[in-house]
Amino acid sequence: GENVEQHPSTLSVQEGDSAVIKCTYSDSASNYFPWYKQELGKGPQLIIDIRSNVGEKKDQRIAVTLNKTAKHFSLHITETQPEDSAVYFCAASMVYKLSFGAGTTVTVRA
Amino acid sequence: DGGITQSPKYLFRKEGQNVTLSCEQNLNHDAMYWYRQDPGQGLRLIYYSQIVNDFQKGDIAEGYSVSREKKESFPLTVTSAQKNPTAFYLCASSSLGALGTEAFFGQGTRLTVV
Repeated sequence: GENVEQHPSTLSVQEGDSAVIKCTYSDSASNYFPWYKQELGKGPQLIIDIRSNVGEKKDQRIAVTLNKTAKHFSLHITETQPEDSAVYFCAASMVYKLSFGAGTTVTVRA
Repeated sequence: DGGITQSPKYLFRKEGQNVTLSCEQNLNHDAMYWYRQDPGQGLRLIYYSQIVNDFQKGDIAEGYSVSREKKESFPLTVTSAQKNPTAFYLCASSSLGALGTEAFFGQGTRLTVV
C-alpha cells in the first residue's frame, strides 16, 4: 500500500516568516495530494490540494508543489500569522483511498 | 447546511463492552471512511465504503465492524476484541472521481475506555 512520510514533526516560526512542510510518497500510481489543517479537538479541513497533472498551485499565502519524478510534494505558507498555528497533514491517494502522513505541529510565535 | 455529523463527541466505555459511533452525511457522497487518530501517528484507515451494502477493510480493521445500509450513514462498532480502543475517531466522506476528490471530515468522537 501507499506510505506517506512527512517532515518535520514540529515546526516553530516567527510571525511573518515562511513555513515549509515536506512529504514523500511511495506509490507512483497516486494521483491526488491534499493538505489538511486540524485545530485542537476538531476534524481536519482541506486547505489546498494538487493533482498529478499539475506541478504547482497557489491560494493566497499557501502554495503546494509536486515533483512526480522524485515522489515528493511540499506545502509552503508565507507571511505566517498566529491563526496558522495547527497540525498539518499531507495525504496521497489513488482515486478515493487517502493515506496520511504523521502530521506537523506548526507554532507561530508572535 | 450540508456536512458530516459524528455523535457523540465524547464516549466512555467499560472494558469488554461494544460501542457504536454514529456518522451521518447529507452531501450525497458515495464514499465514506473511518479513521483512527493517535498522537504522533496521523490518521489510519479502519474501514471504507464506496457504495451502499459494500465496504472494505482498511489498514487497521481488526476489532472493528461497520455497516452501510443507507447512503447517508456509516456507523462504526468498536468491539471488545479491539485491544487498545482509546483514540480519536474521525469519519469522512467524498464523491468518487478518477483524479481524486476532497474528503470532508466530521468533528470526531473521542472514545475513552475506563
